Amino acid sequence: DTEVTQTPKHLVMGMTNKKSLKCEQHMGHRAMYWYKQKAKKPPELMFVYSYEKLSINESVPSRFSPECPNSSLLNLHLHALQPEDSALYLCASSSRLGDSMNTGELFFGEGSRLTVL
Amino acid sequence: LAKTTQPISMDSYEGQEVNITCSHNNIATNDYITWYQQFPSQGPRFIIQGYKTKVTNEVASLFIPADRKSSTLSLPRVSLSDTAVYYCLVGDKGTGRRALTFGSGTRLQVQP
Repeated sequence: DTEVTQTPKHLVMGMTNKKSLKCEQHMGHRAMYWYKQKAKKPPELMFVYSYEKLSINESVPSRFSPECPNSSLLNLHLHALQPEDSALYLCASSSRLGDSMNTGELFFGEGSRLTVL
Repeated sequence: LAKTTQPISMDSYEGQEVNITCSHNNIATNDYITWYQQFPSQGPRFIIQGYKTKVTNEVASLFIPADRKSSTLSLPRVSLSDTAVYYCLVGDKGTGRRALTFGSGTRLQVQP
């Protein structure tokens, strides 16, 4: 299994709603990532988890709250979002972070398209 | 952070070879060069990675000159399905932000 699965594929939410994006991989990878991508822009790194611990937070607003319940799952909890947060949210995984033997290859899911009204 | 510069867009025709060059003047000794392909509304997909000289796989070739300040992704005999955005990333293999930071990418349009 070489897939990263993201759910839901599409999500529409109001600014007062609380929702979550989910990501799952069964490749035994120990590093997982959240990226945000606006239309016609490159993916922007948001968070990195390494061995279920938050390793990198790219100064993301607190209305985005990541969670890594176990080595296969990564969640992104959303609360009080703004319309400008509408974007494609991409999850990725890699075998390890900070390992010289790591190929460095990131495996991406297909993303969750978020619309904030 | 090692900054990469790529052409914003390129056009080609089916069956042609396409070469996309990425400039990375401040590449560090331990940095690798990685290329990804992204189709609309999909996540990026790994194409190829290299450190120096030439790397080839079933999809593409990567040419890296001795000074490593640039690299060229070569796609042989492109088809319509190669229309996508191509990103060059530079950084330690799997370590830190540099290997995880996408530049602006090159939008390749292949025409019949």
